[in-house]
Amino acid sequence: QVQLVESGGGVVQLGRSLRLSCAASGFTLSSYGMHWVRQAPGKGLEWVALVWYDGSKKYYADSVKGRFTISRDNSKNTLYLQMNSLRPEDTAVYYCARDRVPGTPRYYFDYWGQGTLVTVSS
Amino acid sequence: QSALTQPRSVSGSPGQSVTISCTGSSSDVGGYNYVSWYQQHPGKAPKLMFYDVTKRPSGVPGRFSGSKSGNTASLSISGLQAEDEADYYCCSYAGNSTFGVFGGGTKLTVL
Repeated sequence: QVQLVESGGGVVQLGRSLRLSCAASGFTLSSYGMHWVRQAPGKGLEWVALVWYDGSKKYYADSVKGRFTISRDNSKNTLYLQMNSLRPEDTAVYYCARDRVPGTPRYYFDYWGQGTLVTVSS
Repeated sequence: QSALTQPRSVSGSPGQSVTISCTGSSSDVGGYNYVSWYQQHPGKAPKLMFYDVTKRPSGVPGRFSGSKSGNTASLSISGLQAEDEADYYCCSYAGNSTFGVFGGGTKLTVL
C-alpha cells in the first residue's frame, strides 16, 4: 500500500536551516509529482511546493520562494524540502503528499504522510 | 488571508444536509476545473474527498457530492452522520504563478 513517512522536523532557531525528508513506498515514485503542504498550529492548509515526477520543474508558494528548495531522489524513493532562513511564521506541521495524476500534476493530493512538526523559535 | 473563501463553520443534525461553499475568482476556481476537497479529522492528515470538481475517489460515500458554478465550488453532504464532523478544505489550481491555493477551511459540526 502507498505510504509516505516524513522526518526531519524539530525546533530550530530563527534564521537557521532544516531539511525534511519524505520516504515513499508502495508506488513508483518516479511517475508522480510530489508536494509539500503545511499547516500552522490551529490554522488551515497551505500549499508549499511541487516537484514534477522527473524533477524537471519545481514550483513554490510566494511565502517560501527563494528560501525553500524542493527536490527528489527517485532512486532512493525520497522527497526533500530544504528550508533556509526560517521564520516564526514557518512554524507548522509539514506534510508530503502525492499528486493523484501520474505525469502532469493537477494539485490533487491523494496520499499524505503523517506530517512532521517544525517549530521556529525566536 | 486565504485565496479561497469558505465559511468558518457550518452545522447540521444527523440525517440533514449541509453545503459548504468555496469562493474564488476567475484566476482559480472559475478558470479551471481542477478543484478538490479534503476532509480532516483532528490530529489526522487530510483525506481527498473530490477531484476534478465532482469526482469521488473510491471509498468516499455517495452522500458526498461536489459541484461548481462560476467562481464558487460547493461540497454537499446529505444524510449527515456523526463521523462527518471534521474540517473541510477546498483547493484549486490557480495558474502558472500562484499554482495551488487552499480555502481557509470549514468546521462542520454534527449537532
